[in-house]
Amino acid sequence: GEDVEQSLFLSVREGDSSVINCTYTDSSSTYLYWYKQEPGAGLQLLTYIFSNMDMKQDQRLTVLLNKKDKHLSLRIADTQTGDSAIYFCAENGGYQKVTFGTGTKLQVIP
Amino acid sequence: DTGVSQDPRHKITKRGQNVTFRCDPISEHNRLYWYRQTLGQGPEFLTYFQNEAQLEKSRLLSDRFSAERPKGSFSTLEIQRTEQGDSAMYLCASSFRDRGNEKLFFGSGTQLSVL
Repeated sequence: GEDVEQSLFLSVREGDSSVINCTYTDSSSTYLYWYKQEPGAGLQLLTYIFSNMDMKQDQRLTVLLNKKDKHLSLRIADTQTGDSAIYFCAENGGYQKVTFGTGTKLQVIP
Repeated sequence: DTGVSQDPRHKITKRGQNVTFRCDPISEHNRLYWYRQTLGQGPEFLTYFQNEAQLEKSRLLSDRFSAERPKGSFSTLEIQRTEQGDSAMYLCASSFRDRGNEKLFFGSGTQLSVL
């Protein structure tokens, strides 16, 4: 079955880059996603990558995909205090449901 | 507001009571998902619909949980004979699947507390 894992916590200083990692098991995943959740709010889609790509850049966000190792990462350049939140990776394959990871809490220190 | 809306935002109930939550998706979206989230965890899949058809229900979901989407628009999630372990945030999301790409739009959730 599908399984998506992330490290629980990351702390960075304001202005530094943040790298959040994710591993998944479903080799049929066609799209992989990053969502952000701020306290008391629902999840918000940040970005996504198609499985035949290995990199996608969107302003301060860079997504890297290593399909062979089933490893996904999200890099946030010039991290700001407003980036403090929980970040979830998610995947779906074929006509299957979207499955989420456990989330990584990003703390940005001023 | 054309986003996903959920009602109520908060629900406090006593153990053994039935509760029902409502989700209104984005109107042009054909898929609707229910997830459950507890503190420190990611969203746990409960069930999802494509139009009015319920495509999958989590094996972890007991028979006390039932969901409907009668006309392929809004959906309800009912929990019968609630237990303290049902306390969680219940999240609804909708999507329009486009060539395999499924971007979910979430509501703000219903926070359930079972006393």
